[in-house]
Amino acid sequence: ETGVTQTPRHLVMGMTNKKSLKCEQHLGHNAMYWYKQSAKKPLELMFVYSLEERVENNSVPSRFSPECPNSSHLFLHLHTLQPEDSALYLCASSQELVGGSNYGYTFGSGTRLTVV
Amino acid sequence: DAKTTQPTSMDCAEGRAANLPCNHSTISGNEYVYWYRQIHSQGPQYIIHGLKNNETNEMASLIITEDRKSSTLILPHATLRDTAVYYCIVSPNSGYALNFGKGTSLLVTP
Repeated sequence: ETGVTQTPRHLVMGMTNKKSLKCEQHLGHNAMYWYKQSAKKPLELMFVYSLEERVENNSVPSRFSPECPNSSHLFLHLHTLQPEDSALYLCASSQELVGGSNYGYTFGSGTRLTVV
Repeated sequence: DAKTTQPTSMDCAEGRAANLPCNHSTISGNEYVYWYRQIHSQGPQYIIHGLKNNETNEMASLIITEDRKSSTLILPHATLRDTAVYYCIVSPNSGYALNFGKGTSLLVTP
């Protein structure tokens, strides 16, 4: 257990479904992140939140919609996904945004998403 | 952002030291070097980070050259559980988050 909890661990959804991924941290961190990792590819940064405000959106399609209701919770709402969106979705948190010395990111175990 | 270059893969015998190199020749003076690892299908795990001086913790040692253009992560006594992809990342001079490259796939063999 890393201190960052992601649910569900596995998700299979159809292209017309709507689902949400949840991330929760009780580490007192102020920044939270969503990353996507497709098979045999590097991690891709999707969204960055600092103190509940989105500070970065890396040209992610609108079928992915993040939400950060408070500093402990982060959601990724999914709708009308495509099969190529199947991937491991990882949530991370850090004390502050990267830019200086900190103790790095704490990652969750990820949600393995399969779009059929 | 400073880019990093790592070998694609490395092997190491169990019980031996694993030395993972990383080149970051365009690193800026205020950028840190971070190392993470990712065991198959899990989230990446923070290992260590440094600015100028060598660093050591319970997991590993980080050796940074004097010109800061390269670094080496040392796992002093590799075990089978150290088999993972190891990422060397330079903290962004601008922007908000760490960008992970392809890393080095380390295989520890019996």
